[in-house]
Amino acid sequence: EPEVTQTPSHQVTQMGQEVILRCVPISNHLYFYWYRQILGQKVEFLVSFYNNEISEKSEIFDDQFSVERPDGSNFTLKIRSTKLEDSAMYFCASRALPGAGERPTTDTQYFGPGTRLTVL
Amino acid sequence: GQQLNQSPQSMFIQEGEDVSMNCTSSSIFNTWLWYKQDPGEGPVLLIALYKAGELTSNGRLTAQFGITRKDSFLNISASIPSDVGIYFCAGQDRGSTLGRLYFGRGTQLTVWP
Repeated sequence: EPEVTQTPSHQVTQMGQEVILRCVPISNHLYFYWYRQILGQKVEFLVSFYNNEISEKSEIFDDQFSVERPDGSNFTLKIRSTKLEDSAMYFCASRALPGAGERPTTDTQYFGPGTRLTVL
Repeated sequence: GQQLNQSPQSMFIQEGEDVSMNCTSSSIFNTWLWYKQDPGEGPVLLIALYKAGELTSNGRLTAQFGITRKDSFLNISASIPSDVGIYFCAGQDRGSTLGRLYFGRGTQLTVWP
């Protein structure tokens, strides 16, 4: 069964450093998302992306964050200058276009296993 | 933004018992989803609900989309040890272009053999 993959599984960085988190969405999906989950808290939406553009972003997704689809398979989240409070699990999700098949496939976001980011 | 209240926060039950958890929101959603998360993993979809009043089953799991569109519940019947994990409800915002999800805080389920 196709799945979303993410690398690395764990990233440790110093405060102020740049990090890039990578995701490979399911191959025929065209909607992409990033979410984060601070330890012990709920999953929070960061950004959605379609057709090489940000569709929507939350208040968390400030100027320190950016997303990119550099090629036909990868979807990346960059944090330019990490802060302690950026420590969290970051989940990538992807979704098929409506009409691509039966529900729930076309309406559901499928999540990757996450990258645990630790900022020291 | 939309607020989802999920309860209970945690449950400790014996194998074979039934479990019920629910979610209420401050706003209307057009889709309710229930996910399970195992330690160190991403959320895995259990059940998706698309219409008010809809009742859907997936094996021992049953979920319903509330008539008011502001609530949903998930039932697990005859629990087994592998049901252990965190269960999240999520609502899909009908005003969101690509269907941004709002998550509840989760219900931590522990099943004793």
